Amino acid sequence: GAVVSQHPSWVICKSGTSVKIECRSLDFQATTMFWYRQFPKQSLMLMATSNEGSKATYEQGVEKDKFLINHASLTLSTLTVTSAHPEDSSFYICSARHRLNTEAFFGQGTRLTVV
Amino acid sequence: GQQLNQSPQSMFIQEGEDVSMNCTSSSIFNTWLWYKQDPGEGPVLLIALYKAGELTSNGRLTAQFGITRKDSFLNISASIPSDVGIYFCAGRGGSQGNLIFGKGTKLSVKP
Repeated sequence: GAVVSQHPSWVICKSGTSVKIECRSLDFQATTMFWYRQFPKQSLMLMATSNEGSKATYEQGVEKDKFLINHASLTLSTLTVTSAHPEDSSFYICSARHRLNTEAFFGQGTRLTVV
Repeated sequence: GQQLNQSPQSMFIQEGEDVSMNCTSSSIFNTWLWYKQDPGEGPVLLIALYKAGELTSNGRLTAQFGITRKDSFLNISASIPSDVGIYFCAGRGGSQGNLIFGKGTKLSVKP
């Protein structure tokens, strides 16, 4: 399957700082990227959908000013958690899809811990 | 909104046993996907189903797209310790719609 690389795989940051997570499609052009959040022992919760060159579409209850998403190229999307707080600690996962495919391939995930 | 019910929530089986899990939805899906997630990793696609009634295998894994388009099952035959993980079903109502995920089935295999 297609390769999606997410970086970093884990990060620890201080409360009040911002953290940027990158999601790259390595061998295909991702016209759409998705960002999920996963709490321990729970399923994936879609946070937002981003199409290359357009503003992201956020799911209900997700603060767009707190979770900034940029999808400036067909191979890169970034999620920035601004002014992070301990309750933002979670596992964040991206997935990417080419417009001609119905499949979405997932990155390895990023474990964010805010202390 | 669309909901997916995945069962069972968890399974504890002996190595060599067969496993079956399923998902049902409140509405019709055009695509069913099955993923496996290992701890600390992103989900990995196991099987994709696109047509009602479709039965697809991937090694010891077999999945079917229900005739009603509201359900799907995944079978694992002759389980081995490396099958341990969380299995998620996911469905999509349209070709470009968002994926709806089930809550997952946690599989434990005793050697």
